[in-house]
Amino acid sequence: SQTIHQWPATLVQPVGSPLSLECTVEGTSNPNLYWYRQAAGRGLQLLFYSVGIGQISSEVPQNLSASRPQDRQFILSSKKLLLSDSGFYLCAWRVGNTIYFGEGSWLTVV
Amino acid sequence: KQEVTQIPAALSVPEGENLVLNCSFTDSAIYNLQWFRQDPGKGLTSLLLIQSSQREQTSGRLNASLDKSSGRSTLYIAASQPGDSATYLCAVRRGTSYDKVIFGPGTSLSVIP
Repeated sequence: SQTIHQWPATLVQPVGSPLSLECTVEGTSNPNLYWYRQAAGRGLQLLFYSVGIGQISSEVPQNLSASRPQDRQFILSSKKLLLSDSGFYLCAWRVGNTIYFGEGSWLTVV
Repeated sequence: KQEVTQIPAALSVPEGENLVLNCSFTDSAIYNLQWFRQDPGKGLTSLLLIQSSQREQTSGRLNASLDKSSGRSTLYIAASQPGDSATYLCAVRRGTSYDKVIFGPGTSLSVIP
């Protein structure tokens, strides 16, 4: 079966520290992968999407970057976190016409 | 630029009531529209997917309709239950070669026992 894993589930990081959120999918090959952010009380904002290894499209200028070192691995990173990076981050993948989400990662920057 | 809005932002209803959630989008050139449910602090669960050529989809007590020309979709929930309490989001996908999926801000639903 097809599954998506995202970790860590929660983290508290100081301003200026680095970030790495990881997402992996199982049971499929060459998936389209996405990173979304959901700020408190707001909708989902598309940050990055990837249609293949090493192919990253960025939707908004920001303090974050994404990489896809393997077909089923998608990583969200930052070299120096800002307070405004706090939020709920969701990894997602598309299977045919349907998009599926991981459980999310809560990031609090203090 | 595609923009997706949802009205109302929050809704509270007594158990057993039928209700309608609304989703509007500015660009009618969509490939499909999907409704999701999000429980607090959790990821999203897909509820219904409507292709651009379809008018509606049904799953149990849920019925989603799509009117591309007017840029609107509705999610109808029949005989609401406390377990339906969650945030409901709609999302539009623009095209097969254009892989963005744009979400609305969501409607927070509370069903009171």
